[in-house]
Amino acid sequence: QQPVQSPQAVILREGEDAVINCSSSKALYSVHWYRQKHGEAPVFLMILLKGGEQKGHEKISASFNEKKQQSSLYLTASQLSYSGTYFCGTASSGGGADGLTFGKGTHLIIQP
Amino acid sequence: DAGITQSPRHKVTETGTPVTLRCHQTENHRYMYWYRQDPGHGLRLIHYSYGVKDTDKGEVSDGYSVSRSKTEDFLLTLESATSSQTSVYFCATGSLSGNTIYFGEGSWLTVV
Repeated sequence: QQPVQSPQAVILREGEDAVINCSSSKALYSVHWYRQKHGEAPVFLMILLKGGEQKGHEKISASFNEKKQQSSLYLTASQLSYSGTYFCGTASSGGGADGLTFGKGTHLIIQP
Repeated sequence: DAGITQSPRHKVTETGTPVTLRCHQTENHRYMYWYRQDPGHGLRLIHYSYGVKDTDKGEVSDGYSVSRSKTEDFLLTLESATSSQTSVYFCATGSLSGNTIYFGEGSWLTVV
């Protein structure tokens, strides 16, 4: 089952903050966040692992609630370059063998 | 980012013709994946590989086959292309230790 992302779209002014949520009906081992700009490949931002480990982008933070199978991505003091579509990908086990299951994405538009 | 090259990048083909997309990686990653991306659906897994000659089906595998004869190459074949297979196809790779996946540039396929 695909994780559910919310909101579907958000429009901000430069400098404002945004939160993007990702919720799964399955127990999760890890949550991965990507950003994709139009016509380009998704770019890895951050991984959050069961047990609290995080790896990723310096200016972006995220949380992972293992009990609720939810993750949130926090974009603070947004810049124009943050515009794009954000995807969460989830894995129910470690090892990476069977890939990630992705949500449908959240479209983020940053206006000057 | 992993060195992942997809070919062709753009292709227009006729219904009923066979099509093969190639993914080549230079990172010696064990795992390789083919996803398709369509509006309203996000990224969906077609097939994946966990080693040379070891492959398995993903969520949307009907009409597709794959082969992996070398660590660095993962081929996706549409035996008889249909208009419903018009999509953007992304290859991705992952290593066990990294525990996340990285995407190639994408292949835009149009079936007319």
